[in-house]
Amino acid sequence: DTGVSQDPRHKITKRGQNVTFRCDPISEHNRLYWYRQTLGQGPEFLTYFQNEAQLEKSRLLSDRFSAERPKGSFSTLEIQRTEQGDSAMYLCASSLKGGKAEAFFGQGTRLTVV
Amino acid sequence: AQTVTQSQPEMSVQEAETVTLSCTYDTSESDYYLFWYKQPPSRQMILVIRQEAYKQQNATENRFSVNFQKAAKSFSLKISDSQLGDAAMYFCAYRSDNNAGNMLTFGGGTRLMVKP
Repeated sequence: DTGVSQDPRHKITKRGQNVTFRCDPISEHNRLYWYRQTLGQGPEFLTYFQNEAQLEKSRLLSDRFSAERPKGSFSTLEIQRTEQGDSAMYLCASSLKGGKAEAFFGQGTRLTVV
Repeated sequence: AQTVTQSQPEMSVQEAETVTLSCTYDTSESDYYLFWYKQPPSRQMILVIRQEAYKQQNATENRFSVNFQKAAKSFSLKISDSQLGDAAMYFCAYRSDNNAGNMLTFGGGTRLMVKP
């Protein structure tokens, strides 16, 4: 297993378009997280899955955002009707359950909305 | 809600010297974990060191060590014998052991520059 992978690495889109990002976690990890990181800031939590169930969403996750994790494997994050304020790095992380468990991060998808 | 603050946006250190990055946090919980993550340019975030709040002994990992002051809610990272490869963004992070999701709360980061 090569770790957490994200696709694409970079995405440039026009305002109003829909975009979808994919995250493949470490296979034995039952937890999958999405974070957003704007330039010069630390990552902020968006949502997480325990297996296929989406158990918590941050208030940062507006109704234009939707995430899925079918069959508890890979996850997708879709942003509808993108806005310039959506421009950020979207990070995916996976871990085993528990506060002590190390979270492994992907390289992120950098979204630029023009 | 928990908050994590890193008061040093940038730090600089000479190669082979020692540098300390500061972090403070605010929480009303007693069971939690603290982490330092390193994010090199255009590369993924990796865990540097982890501290369990119930442990009084400060964690160490080779050249990296922490000074954990639970009462003061302070968690600083010391990098000894700094190397050029240590140049990166460093993020302090908090993780509750009570919250069902165990999501990380990050500070704003410190950019570490290492001078040859």
